[in-house]
Formats: sequence, structure tokens, C-alpha cells
Amino acid sequence: QKEVEQNSGPLSVPEGAIASLNCTYSDRGSQSFFWYRQYSGKSPELIMFIYSNGDKEDGRFTAQLNKASQYVSLLIRDSQPSDSATYLCAVNLYNFNKFYFGSGTKLNVKP
Amino acid sequence: SAVISQKPSRDICQRGTSLTIQCQVDSQVTMMFWYRQQPGQSLTLIATANQGSEATYESGFVIDKFPISRPNLTFSTLTVSNMSPEDSSIYLCSVPGEGGLNEQYFGPGTRLTVT
Repeated sequence: QKEVEQNSGPLSVPEGAIASLNCTYSDRGSQSFFWYRQYSGKSPELIMFIYSNGDKEDGRFTAQLNKASQYVSLLIRDSQPSDSATYLCAVNLYNFNKFYFGSGTKLNVKP
Repeated sequence: SAVISQKPSRDICQRGTSLTIQCQVDSQVTMMFWYRQQPGQSLTLIATANQGSEATYESGFVIDKFPISRPNLTFSTLTVSNMSPEDSSIYLCSVPGEGGLNEQYFGPGTRLTVT
């Protein structure tokens, strides 16, 4: 079983819609959760992190964490074509400097 | 966040040869990490480079294949030895952030193609 699971997509949404990206993790000891955006040919860019149950909002992005269900999600409101990228979920175990990455979900925002 | 640079940005190498990738950070960091991203895949941690001690390798990665140096707190190198086409990947170094949550920031990556 993989540590972090994501639907590979592609997820297609129209411009202006809400994009919902999901991630599940297997280790209940996971402490911190991260969302990275990776444009084609570029390195991953950190966009959000969350460590407490509930929602965390930053501009058009909202991260949601449910530790009981071992589930973390990223909502992108008012999606723009520039949001088209692969979104990687990452989990940090026991606050060690060791990350496990999901395989990523490719998002296409259609104009 | 720290500014991270990598050299080379890309290279095409023949099988059986070795390539050394450099990672430079604009601030001192205790740990640096090396990842591999194979085509169409996610990131896999190769090893953690600690200044003043041997690198710590993840399962499936060995020092003979991926020797790492960490001569100071701002620099590290990763060598991909005796390359085969299966080593064609993007190699990324990363450093921890200062947010206290062990977030990591990535360099621009080195795209390696082995023919």
C-alpha cells in the first residue's frame, strides 16, 4: 500500500469553477500535510500546508484535513487556466524531515 | 524561503558514464535532500545529505550508485554512477523551510537523459 494516494486525473474543470483535489494517506502518525503545484518541466512549488483538522484558507486555495478519515483535500476557487498543472500531495511523518509524495493529480482548467 | 540553484540544468549522457549534479543554497541549512522524479512519476527521496556525516540513503538506493558529498552547509553534490537508460530522470535537491513544519523547498532540477 502506498503511503500517499491521489487520483492521477486528469481533472478537467471550466474556468471559474471550483477544482477539488483529493489525497489519502496510510500512516496515522502523519503530522503535516502539504500541497505542491508542479508545472510541466518545472520543479514543485509549495502552495499550502495544513496540520490541524479542519479548513485552512489562503486566497483562492483551501486545504481541508480530516485525520480520522486520513484524508486531505485542496479546493481551488475561481479556477484559472494558469492553475493547470499537476498537484502533488505530500505527507510528513512524525515531524521528521522525510516526505512521502503522492503520484499527483493533473488539473486542466479550460477557458 | 531559500534560493536554490542546481547545475547542470540538463544533460544527455552515455550509458556507463557518471554525472555529478551540484546544489547550491543561499543560506546555511542543516539538511539537504536529493529526490528523483522519473518520467510521469512522483518524487522519490534518494537520500538525506548531512553536513559532516555520511548521507542517509532510502531503501532501494545505495552509496555506490549515488554517492553524495556535503562539504559545507550551503552545498551538496549527487553523482549518478555507471548510468543506464533507467537513470533518465529529473533529479531535485530540496531544503527545509523555516516554518517549523518541515516544509521543503525544491531547486529547479536537473533533467538527465541517458542514451
